Amino acid sequence: AQSVAQPEDQVNVAEGNPLTVKCTYSVSGNPYLFWYVQYPNRGLQFLLKYITGDNLVKGSYGFEAEFNKSQTSFHLKKPSALVSDSALYFCAVRDTLVAGGFKTIFGAGTRLFVKA
Amino acid sequence: NAGVTQTPKFQVLKTGQSMTLQCAQDMNHNSMYWYRQDPGMGLRLIYYSASEGTTDKGEVPNGYNVSRLNKREFSLRLESAAPSQTSVYFCASSVRQLYSNQPQHFGDGTRLSIL
Repeated sequence: AQSVAQPEDQVNVAEGNPLTVKCTYSVSGNPYLFWYVQYPNRGLQFLLKYITGDNLVKGSYGFEAEFNKSQTSFHLKKPSALVSDSALYFCAVRDTLVAGGFKTIFGAGTRLFVKA
Repeated sequence: NAGVTQTPKFQVLKTGQSMTLQCAQDMNHNSMYWYRQDPGMGLRLIYYSASEGTTDKGEVPNGYNVSRLNKREFSLRLESAAPSQTSVYFCASSVRQLYSNQPQHFGDGTRLSIL
């Protein structure tokens, strides 16, 4: 079965420093990978996706993610963190084909704290 | 743009009561989903509707029913609420489930407490 793991429950970083939120996956076939962000009392918002092509994917709010096939990872990165980046981040992967199409599997989430 | 709208935002129920959570999207999306979010467990799929007129069970369907009323609306019903169903419920939509490279769009959730 397809799966996605976020090994860190929480990541702490100082404002202005680079940040990385880790994600690893297990899929059969080519992976379709996504990152979402959730701010307090809000739904998830799409940040970026990897389908094919360049291993470095750029997304919203200055975030980018690096796809690494050999390490089965899709880490989220930002060169300079902002306090406003503090939120819950979810990695997601396309699941196998079921009735009606593909479902999405979400990781457990990583809480990012950016300290001023 | 409203996107995905969920009502109510908050609700407290007593064990055994029933309730319907409403969801509507104005993006002309074909596929809609209901998830529950519990601490440390991410999002778990309850039911989904790949297109108008179809619904299918997800990962945790027990205790829930759904109705795809039309293309815009997808409701979730708890027939006899249990404390284990205390959670935050999210509705989402996407262009079409078969187009798996498309992201999902989420509502802001319904926070449900069952006493």
